[in-house]
Amino acid sequence: GQNIDQPTEMTATEGAIVQINCTYQTSGFNGLFWYQQHAGEAPTFLSYNVLDGLEEKGRFSSFLSRSKGYSYLLLKELQMKDSASYLCAPLDSNYQLIWGAGTKLIIKP
Amino acid sequence: IAGITQAPTSQILAAGRRMTLRCTQDMRHNAMYWYRQDLGLGLRLIHYSNTAGTTGKGEVPDGYSVSRANTDDFPLTLASAVPSQTSVYFCASSNGGGSYNEQFFGPGTRLTVL
Repeated sequence: GQNIDQPTEMTATEGAIVQINCTYQTSGFNGLFWYQQHAGEAPTFLSYNVLDGLEEKGRFSSFLSRSKGYSYLLLKELQMKDSASYLCAPLDSNYQLIWGAGTKLIIKP
Repeated sequence: IAGITQAPTSQILAAGRRMTLRCTQDMRHNAMYWYRQDLGLGLRLIHYSNTAGTTGKGEVPDGYSVSRANTDDFPLTLASAVPSQTSVYFCASSNGGGSYNEQFFGPGTRLTVL
């Protein structure tokens, strides 16, 4: 079966760094997406990884290890506006996104 | 402004009634999707369409139907609503094909079935 595992909730302090982990098992693999979703809003695209390694984009970075079925999203210099849910979504062999339940990130001043 | 729109924003519906959720995109994307999102669960795919004129079933298609008469519109119909269909519904679109498949989401429709 297909399975996505990420922590339900995390708390971090403004200005700090946080790493959100995601492990996945899918039927085939064609890359992995991270999306951000603020409460009551639609998900928005953050990053896409298809090869192993780290992709950096401003304060956000995403890492992928295909052999381990593992990815993480790294958020630096946390701001209050980063309080949101972060959704891990690998792309399976049919090019369909398989969505995790998301990690709710709470930023405290 | 290019994007994807959904209507209505929210709706309260009596069980047994028929309801169509509308979705329109102006980005000329080939692929469109309907998801439902429930507390504690990931987005679950209801139906999808890889191109105008074709549709496919997702993970949770029962009780829902879709059509794709043209590129821009992808309505979702609940033939006879039941309380378990209370959810937030998101429509999304993408260029489709290949491995890079970023999906753009509409603002969602919050549906309550009583």
